[in-house]
Amino acid sequence: TQLLEQSPQFLSIQEGENLTVYCNSSSVFSSLQWYRQEPGEGPVLLVTVVTGGEVKKLKRLTFQFGDARKDSSLHITAAQPGDTGLYLCAGRMSQGAQKLVFGQGTRLTINP
Amino acid sequence: DAGVIQSPRHEVTEMGQEVTLRCKPISGHDYLFWYRQTMMRGLELLIYFNNNVPIDDSGMPEDRFSAKMPNASFSTLKIQPSEPRDSAVYFCASSLGGYHQVAKETQYFGPGTRLLVL
Repeated sequence: TQLLEQSPQFLSIQEGENLTVYCNSSSVFSSLQWYRQEPGEGPVLLVTVVTGGEVKKLKRLTFQFGDARKDSSLHITAAQPGDTGLYLCAGRMSQGAQKLVFGQGTRLTINP
Repeated sequence: DAGVIQSPRHEVTEMGQEVTLRCKPISGHDYLFWYRQTMMRGLELLIYFNNNVPIDDSGMPEDRFSAKMPNASFSTLKIQPSEPRDSAVYFCASSLGGYHQVAKETQYFGPGTRLLVL
């Protein structure tokens, strides 16, 4: 059983469409991170959210941390082929914890 | 900055053979992490070190796996003997580490070693 459940696991959409990826848990996290991983490479950090209800924007990407700090979402507006990749959420169970727990990932494909 | 360096990038071996994966963390980083990624189980933490000392090895699958960090700039993950179910991509990551300091807690991943055990 995964501590962090991501949905959907696979998503294939057309360029220009909007999408939302979810990361859910029954546990509370002190912070949550989103990574993007491209084929043959390691995950690269996109954002960290630490406060319940926090919203962060990175160009066309909007990240939200749930009020109870148990879930997060990633919304992409007007998706582009360059957004294609594996998106991973990862959480820290407590402040100062160095250990990260990862979700299984969402494999996103944006078709031109 | 060179980033985290891993070698080899690809390894194909036969069941029963010893496999050694190598990692050079980013200079100055105090934490080093070893992860394994498979389609079935996703990205799993195997072990992590702080200042060359193993802190948490609860993710190491079994005694066939061992990890060392003899100095601040080098770590190894060894599998002996290897089995087909060990086939996966193994990542090394490093971070500065810092209590609730987001920037310092950021983990930087290497490109991974793709291991295939036949």
